[in-house]
Amino acid sequence: NAGVTQTPKFQVLKTGQSMTLQCAQDMNHEYMSWYRQDPGMGLRLIHYSVGAGITDQGEVPNGYNVSRSTTEDFPLRLLSAAPSQTSVYFCASSYSGRNEQYFGPGTRLTVT
Amino acid sequence: KNEVEQSPQNLTAQEGEFITINCSYSVGISALHWLQQHPGGGIVSLFMLSSGKKKHGRLIATINIQEKHSSLHITASHPRDSAVYICAVRPYSGAGSYQLTFGKGTKLSVIP
Repeated sequence: NAGVTQTPKFQVLKTGQSMTLQCAQDMNHEYMSWYRQDPGMGLRLIHYSVGAGITDQGEVPNGYNVSRSTTEDFPLRLLSAAPSQTSVYFCASSYSGRNEQYFGPGTRLTVT
Repeated sequence: KNEVEQSPQNLTAQEGEFITINCSYSVGISALHWLQQHPGGGIVSLFMLSSGKKKHGRLIATINIQEKHSSLHITASHPRDSAVYICAVRPYSGAGSYQLTFGKGTKLSVIP
């Protein structure tokens, strides 16, 4: 099993550009989530999904969009990138939202 | 608001020392997670617990639900234990029951 994979590992965007961060898991997990990690702060939940076709907002959803068309994939879209979205983004999955979470390797995003 | 406080923020230890990292939280929870973030950035789940104590190798995690407090102990510490250790809690119930609240992490450095 590859576990949770994320692409790209690094990305630099200009303000106003859009892009999609990819996340995939091969463990047949129902629950998937996106977090951002900023210096001096704990991980914060952006969006999550409890199954294909079901998504919900987390603590910091503004400026991000998600969809879940398959169990395996949970892409995160930045609609119009802003410098405040410079961060490290982690995707995670678990069997249900109440189990051990498996994290992807992270995507380091810089918005100039 | 659910808050998670970890102490200490930074910890330096000599190889072989017994290490304790503390986590306190402010609301009733259904589970507490301990995570390890390697210097390269990857995040690994160490424990998920809702009561009592769990042990894995040289790592021991305890939780006191009444006092809203958990500790992570490392026995016979080794330089490879150097990492950031993160505590996260899941609220007891309600709309936020899928959402984890994370502490800011404790950075551990073990010197040979």
